[in-house]
Amino acid sequence: QQPVQSPQAVILREGEDAVINCSSSKALYSVHWYRQKHGEAPIFLMILLKGGEQKGHDKISASFNEKKQQSSLYLTASQLSYSGTYFCGTVLMDSNYQLIWGAGTKLIIKP
Amino acid sequence: KAGVTQTPRYLIKTRGQQVTLSCSPISGHRSVSWYQQTPGQGLQFLFEYFSETQRNKGNFPGRFSGRQFSNSRSEMNVSTLELGDSALYLCASAEGTGSYNEQFFGPGTRLTVL
Repeated sequence: QQPVQSPQAVILREGEDAVINCSSSKALYSVHWYRQKHGEAPIFLMILLKGGEQKGHDKISASFNEKKQQSSLYLTASQLSYSGTYFCGTVLMDSNYQLIWGAGTKLIIKP
Repeated sequence: KAGVTQTPRYLIKTRGQQVTLSCSPISGHRSVSWYQQTPGQGLQFLFEYFSETQRNKGNFPGRFSGRQFSNSRSEMNVSTLELGDSALYLCASAEGTGSYNEQFFGPGTRLTVL
């Protein structure tokens, strides 16, 4: 039931764009995105809820395709500070609202 | 507001021992979730407490237990430690449940089992 994240890793030049995907084989209630820098705690980016509600930072863009049980995180005009590992967490419709995390996508931004 | 604090930050134990980790959430937050993070397994959900009640439990053996006090502080206990329990243990607090609210993570407790 663990969501699948893709790609596993990506290397970008500063200013380039990236898309990180998160998919589930089961119906989703919500998708959560967090970023973790090496040696630091994860920080919240965004929550996307079934029905279209979103909670998050204005500079972060993401989508949630309820029919495909997929979410994508869009990082545009990447900055060095975007480097880190991005985790998606999913809450299934038929679960007791437990958050299950993907394996993470490692993003490296080079100057 | 002060952030989430975890104590101790580092811990070294031997197999068979037990350990208690502590987490103090952000003031006003009623939910505390615990996670185990390892390089190979990523973030694994242990359990969530909300207003002193365990709301959810992940797929971990009964050696892992927790509780939450009336002031929302939470403790996690691991009994009969195994080598595989070596990991970073993170707690996160939220105003409401972590299922649909922003979670604020603490710095973690690095547990090494020898």
